[in-house]
Amino acid sequence: SQKIEQNSEALNIQEGKTATLTCNYTNYSPAYLQWYRQDPGRGPVFLLLIRENEKEKRKERLKVTFDTTLKQSLFHITASQPADSATYLCALDEGGGADGLTFGKGTHLIIQP
Amino acid sequence: KAGVTQTPRYLIKTRGQQVTLSCSPISGHRSVSWYQQTPGQGLQFLFEYFSETQRNKGNFPGRFSGRQFSNSRSEMNVSTLELGDSALYLCASSRDRGYNEQFFGPGTRLTVL
Repeated sequence: SQKIEQNSEALNIQEGKTATLTCNYTNYSPAYLQWYRQDPGRGPVFLLLIRENEKEKRKERLKVTFDTTLKQSLFHITASQPADSATYLCALDEGGGADGLTFGKGTHLIIQP
Repeated sequence: KAGVTQTPRYLIKTRGQQVTLSCSPISGHRSVSWYQQTPGQGLQFLFEYFSETQRNKGNFPGRFSGRQFSNSRSEMNVSTLELGDSALYLCASSRDRGYNEQFFGPGTRLTVL
């Protein structure tokens, strides 16, 4: 069966360090992968999208990698700040759209001052 | 530009009742998707509407339905409510069909007693 796995345990990182979040998937052939941020009581906010033919994408302090051989995406936040504390969700779409956007359950990131 | 709005923000219903939730997408966005979010299952795709037509549907019973109007506003309806329908219902809009860079609303928190 199809599965998306993200670290279920909270990730504690010291302010200023790089936070790295992992998204692994099985039995998917995603056309692209997206990362969203969700704060308590609010809807997810789109951060980055990376396509299957792209290895890496950057946006300010954010970097995403996508390895279709390993079936894995890594999401990095450099120079992390307490304001980066949130739940980060990865989402896959195989491109056909029939099953909508499939989300992982998210990783709760805590940046400690 | 105004973001995605959802009404009502909170709703309490009893088993057996029905409920209608409303979503207004970002101006110019023609695709609206609905998701259910629960602590146990995470975010799950309900359906997508584009040009007033349901394009894709997730694995939910027929009690869950929706529609889209000519101005792209969308409603979803849940009939014969069950306790397990208690969840945060999120609406997301995007410019075109598909799920690239979805913009989520704040959600409607539905509690079924």
